Formats: sequence, structure tokens, C-alpha cells
Amino acid sequence: GIQVEQSPPDLILQEGANSTLRCNFSDSVNNLQWFHQNPWGQLINLFYIPSGTKQNGRLSATTVATERYSLLYISSSQTTDSGVYFCAVPNSGGYQKVTFGTGTKLQVIP
Amino acid sequence: EPEVTQTPSHQVTQMGQEVILRCVPISNHLYFYWYRQILGQKVEFLVSFYNNEISEKSEIFDDQFSVERPDGSNFTLKIRSTKLEDSAMYFCASNLRERETQYFGPGTRLLVL
Repeated sequence: GIQVEQSPPDLILQEGANSTLRCNFSDSVNNLQWFHQNPWGQLINLFYIPSGTKQNGRLSATTVATERYSLLYISSSQTTDSGVYFCAVPNSGGYQKVTFGTGTKLQVIP
Repeated sequence: EPEVTQTPSHQVTQMGQEVILRCVPISNHLYFYWYRQILGQKVEFLVSFYNNEISEKSEIFDDQFSVERPDGSNFTLKIRSTKLEDSAMYFCASNLRERETQYFGPGTRLLVL
């Protein structure tokens, strides 16, 4: 099946700093989602981004499907951004069976 | 904004017991999913359900698991005889079309003793 790796695995930021999280995948994909898992375990949709760039407030994401990666940018980080960030892609040829990445654990300190 | 809901939020059970986890997907959605996340690990796909039947399932989804949409609103995951290693967070998700965002519920934390 498809392999999905995220980097870095852990990240500590000072409040106000910017960061870039990366998601690499081993096969071509037809969609990609970014999620934030908050400290209470809830999975929050951030972006559905099969290609191109999207922005939502302080967050933006870019997927370059031909090069098999996606980036999540967090600007002016806040303590509420802490948690784990996952990307998720469907298995080759389908849409439903989704493989999650290994995650990036972010801690934003005041 | 519509959201996926799950009950219970937490469940503790004894090994060998049956559990049923319940989900109410977003009302006009047609595709339904279950995922699980063992503590500290990544989220894993279990099964997808469309048109009243399983459309895809993972290797994890063996004979002890079953899913059902008993009425027009609920979507359930049954674990027939729980094992210690079934302890995990179970997430339900839904979407209107395959190629769209999957919306996740808040999860049910299952602990098997």
C-alpha cells in the first residue's frame, strides 16, 4: 500500500513563530487531507487539497501531486495550535481507503 | 454547522464482551467510515460503507468486526468479542461523495480490561 511519511516528527515553537510541516507519499494520489488532532484527541479538518494551494487564516497548504508531497504552513503560531498534525491520502486507484501519515507533534510554548 | 456525532465518548469493557459503538453521520452524507487509533500511533482505516454494504475494508477488519446502518441516521461498529488490543480511539467519518473531505466525529475511547 501507499506509504505516507511526515516530517519533522516533533516540533517545538515559540509562540509567534512560523513553521512548515511536510508530507511525502510514495504513489500518485487524487486527494489529500490535512488534520489537526488537538490534545483532547479530536480530529479537525484543516484542508482538502489534492493539488495547488489553499489558505485559511494563519494556515495554508500546498500539494504538488506530481512530486508526491504536500506542505502545511503555520504562521504566527499560537498555543492553541499545539497537537498532532496528520496528512492522509487514499490508496492508489481509490478514494475511500485512506492512509494517514506518521504525524508531526507540535508544541507551541508561550 | 452539521457535524458527525459519536456515542459513547468513553467505554470500558471486559475482554470477551461485545461492544457497539454508535455514530450519527452528517444527514445528507452517503459514504461512512470507521477508523481507529491506538494510543500514540497513527490513525488506521478500518472500513468504508456505501449503499448499505461494505465497500472497502482493511486487514484489521476481521470477522470480529461488523458494521451496520440500522436506520436512516445511525451507523454502528460492533466488536463481537473484545481483546485487550482493541483498546483504542475509534473514529467515525462521513462524506457526501468519495472525492470530498471526510468529516470526522469526536471519537469513542474504548478500553478493554
